[in-house]
Amino acid sequence: AQSVSQHNHHVILSEAASLELGCNYSYGGTVNLFWYVQYPGQHLQLLLKYFSGDPLVKGIKGFEAEFIKSKFSFNLRKPSVQWSDTAEYFCAVNAEGTYKYIFGTGTRLKVLA
Amino acid sequence: GAVVSQHPSRVICKSGTSVKIECRSLDFQATTMFWYRQFPKQSLMLMATSNEGSKATYEQGVEKDKFLINHASLTLSTLTVTSAHPEDSSFYICSARDLGSNEQFFGPGTRLTVL
Repeated sequence: AQSVSQHNHHVILSEAASLELGCNYSYGGTVNLFWYVQYPGQHLQLLLKYFSGDPLVKGIKGFEAEFIKSKFSFNLRKPSVQWSDTAEYFCAVNAEGTYKYIFGTGTRLKVLA
Repeated sequence: GAVVSQHPSRVICKSGTSVKIECRSLDFQATTMFWYRQFPKQSLMLMATSNEGSKATYEQGVEKDKFLINHASLTLSTLTVTSAHPEDSSFYICSARDLGSNEQFFGPGTRLTVL
């Protein structure tokens, strides 16, 4: 069965620090990969997605993620975080040809001003 | 981007009653919608896939008679929690798949509290 693991449950950073959130999945076939963000009191929003092509994907708000197939990983990065990045971040996977998303447990990021 | 709405945003009900939650795609048509459940500090767990004009597909362990899903039109799916109990208290989130982009868009969620 597919699964997604996010290693960091809580991350606290100061503004301007660099961010990297880990995401690993288990599935042997072709997958589509997503990072979603949920700001306090708001609904899930898509940050970025990978379907195929360049494994380095750039998303909104300065976020990027790199798909490393050999490591089954899709880590999220941002060079310099802002206070407004405080939110919960979810990694999600869906097997190609299906529409079902499997979500990781989420990482709660707090950025200190 | 495409917008998905849910109604109500919060509902409190007594044990034994039924609660209906609506999920609407506002500016696109969705033949497929999904219902998730999110427990506090946990991830979204897919409950069922709602298909327009046909029966929903439930994930293992989800009682279809407990969580009734109806997808009567291309823009509306409903989830009815029947005979709700306190353990059904949770955050329910729907998503809708946009045929054009093949992307899923999420609703804002409905917080159900069963007393």
